[in-house]
Amino acid sequence: EAQVTQNPRYLITVTGKKLTVTCSQNMNHEYMSWYRQDPGLGLRQIYYSMNVEVTDKGDVPEGYKVSRKEKRNFPLILESPSPNQTSLYFCASRDRNNSPLHFGNGTRLTVT
Amino acid sequence: GDSVTQMEGPVTLSEEAFLTINCTYTATGYPSLFWYVQYPGEGLQLLLKATKADDKGSNKGFEATYRKETTSFHLEKGSVQVSDSAVYFCALSDPRGSGNTGKLIFGQGTTLQVKP
Repeated sequence: EAQVTQNPRYLITVTGKKLTVTCSQNMNHEYMSWYRQDPGLGLRQIYYSMNVEVTDKGDVPEGYKVSRKEKRNFPLILESPSPNQTSLYFCASRDRNNSPLHFGNGTRLTVT
Repeated sequence: GDSVTQMEGPVTLSEEAFLTINCTYTATGYPSLFWYVQYPGEGLQLLLKATKADDKGSNKGFEATYRKETTSFHLEKGSVQVSDSAVYFCALSDPRGSGNTGKLIFGQGTTLQVKP
């Protein structure tokens, strides 16, 4: 089954404790992206990757890092999480330009 | 820059009522337009899309027509069901406006609640 898999689904952590949210897709998509969803703001892009070893900042990259060492994986790294990074995070991938995005089921992160 | 504006929710309807969720956009180039749906506890799923002016996207009884003259892509359904309760997002992808990164720009989402 074609899918985007994120882990974990829920995560509660404390300020400053490094964490990684994993994302994997099995559709051989070149493009992958991370979004965060906040009430009243919709989804905002954090980082995206056009292909292996090619990553770039989205609209809200501060406090986040990503890597794309393999085509299928695109982890999101928070080196020193802060409470304002409490949010619902989605990983997504797509095939060619302008084709629809396929989303994971989300990771709800709480930073205390 | 490019942007998408949706009507504010929540929208509460009775079963079998007619649904309209308004969406307007601004874009530099010639975007593709999408509606995504998010059911509780799940990720976003593509509901329908339109890639050029006057195209009509449709799926599961939902429809939206790409209107370039009014820069709109309103979502409609003739008779909603309780199972349609979800959050609906309008989005655009504009290669020219995004420097060909294919970035998807979302509206803020509209919550629909359908009561029996």
